[in-house]
Amino acid sequence: DAGVIQSPRHEVTEMGQEVTLRCKPISGHDYLFWYRQTMMRGLELLIYFNNNVPIDDSGMPEDRFSAKMPNASFSTLKIQPSEPRDSAVYFCASSTGTGRLGYYGYTFGSGTRLTVV
Amino acid sequence: QKEVEQNSGPLSVPEGAIASLNCTYSDRGSQSFFWYRQYSGKSPELIMFIYSNGDKEDGRFTAQLNKASQYVSLLIRDSQPSDSATYLCAVNPRRNRDDKIIFGKGTRLHILP
Repeated sequence: DAGVIQSPRHEVTEMGQEVTLRCKPISGHDYLFWYRQTMMRGLELLIYFNNNVPIDDSGMPEDRFSAKMPNASFSTLKIQPSEPRDSAVYFCASSTGTGRLGYYGYTFGSGTRLTVV
Repeated sequence: QKEVEQNSGPLSVPEGAIASLNCTYSDRGSQSFFWYRQYSGKSPELIMFIYSNGDKEDGRFTAQLNKASQYVSLLIRDSQPSDSATYLCAVNPRRNRDDKIIFGKGTRLHILP
């Protein structure tokens, strides 16, 4: 398995531009999570999906952020318009969810380092 | 109170010694607990998970859970320079069967050769 695949690895954009981050989860994983990581705030959960349906988007900072999962193998996180404070590493992760013994944790993608200038 | 708290470090440990990393959590109903390792510039990788009170050992790693004290720890025996990384404690609160994981900010561990 190729693992969780994210693209692009690096993105530099100007303030006000639209940014789209992409994620392909591990095949068979029915949960997909978007996290943002900064030095100040650590890893913050933005939104997660179960079977392509958004379950909890309470971490999405504001209306400039949106996420979609049109099918089981693809998700996008869009920022429009982007601002310098959106600069961070954005991680996608997937999992099989809760098993009989509890929760088995996630597998993370390599992340997208976003810089908004 | 933050949901998952860790000392940010850095924690410096001589090579070959035991490294002890600690974490506290606020939600008493939490069910599942995880330790992730993150090398600089890389993504977090799962190294241990624990559900029951007590110790769980995997090679040089031991996770310890005390639900009464709301405390999780990770011990790394025979520390190696390759263990130098940030260690993230994570908790699945399981509120309303929620499947998300809440992460602490991590403890930076530096193994001194």
